[in-house]
Amino acid sequence: EVHLVESGGVVVQPGGSLRLSCAASGFNFDDYSMHWVRQPPGKGLEWVALITWDGGGPSYADSVKGRFTISRDNRKKSIYLEMDNLGPEDTALYYCVKDRSLGGSGSFDYWGQGTWVTVSS
Amino acid sequence: IQMTQSPSSLSASVGDRVTISCRASENINSYLHWYQHKPGKAPKLLIYTASFLQSGVSSRFSGSGSGTDYTLTISSLQPEDFAIYYCQQSYTAPRTFGQGTKVEVK
Repeated sequence: EVHLVESGGVVVQPGGSLRLSCAASGFNFDDYSMHWVRQPPGKGLEWVALITWDGGGPSYADSVKGRFTISRDNRKKSIYLEMDNLGPEDTALYYCVKDRSLGGSGSFDYWGQGTWVTVSS
Repeated sequence: IQMTQSPSSLSASVGDRVTISCRASENINSYLHWYQHKPGKAPKLLIYTASFLQSGVSSRFSGSGSGTDYTLTISSLQPEDFAIYYCQQSYTAPRTFGQGTKVEVK
């Protein structure tokens, strides 16, 4: 059974930094691209970042480009999201999501339960 | 690519046939997927690549469309189907979601 478990969400001050982690199990992690998707309180889903199976081709939403960095460690079956210069607009539930494809152009077939990031002074 | 869903919300009764539309700002070549999201739960994939039913999902859900226009249909609404539904394109980066359609009890 596929499991995605996010961690690292906390309350952080504006301008601060944070690192989210996602541990995966139940599938051949090396064979799939992975994403981060977020949902601000009371709003819809927003795609944040993609990393392909081999760590290549990271891509980002315009709203986080230059501030967030996605990475992965296939030995640890984990992905990460380094978040810098956080602002109140980054307050959201952050989901770790598995792509059904190698290259990242597929649907999001498994989601974690999410980890909350709150940016507030 | 901008994704626009209609309606933004709808009220329906158990047993009703429900249709939700999703329009892309340009051709996305059927790289269109549908998700169901309930409060406090992770979103769930229903339909991928416009018309393929995700394993384990009830056959009362179906998808159709091509080019820029896509539709999610629930053939006979069940109590557990009251939720928010999102479309999403994976044709190009950045991946984008529609704004969501809330299906409420009439």
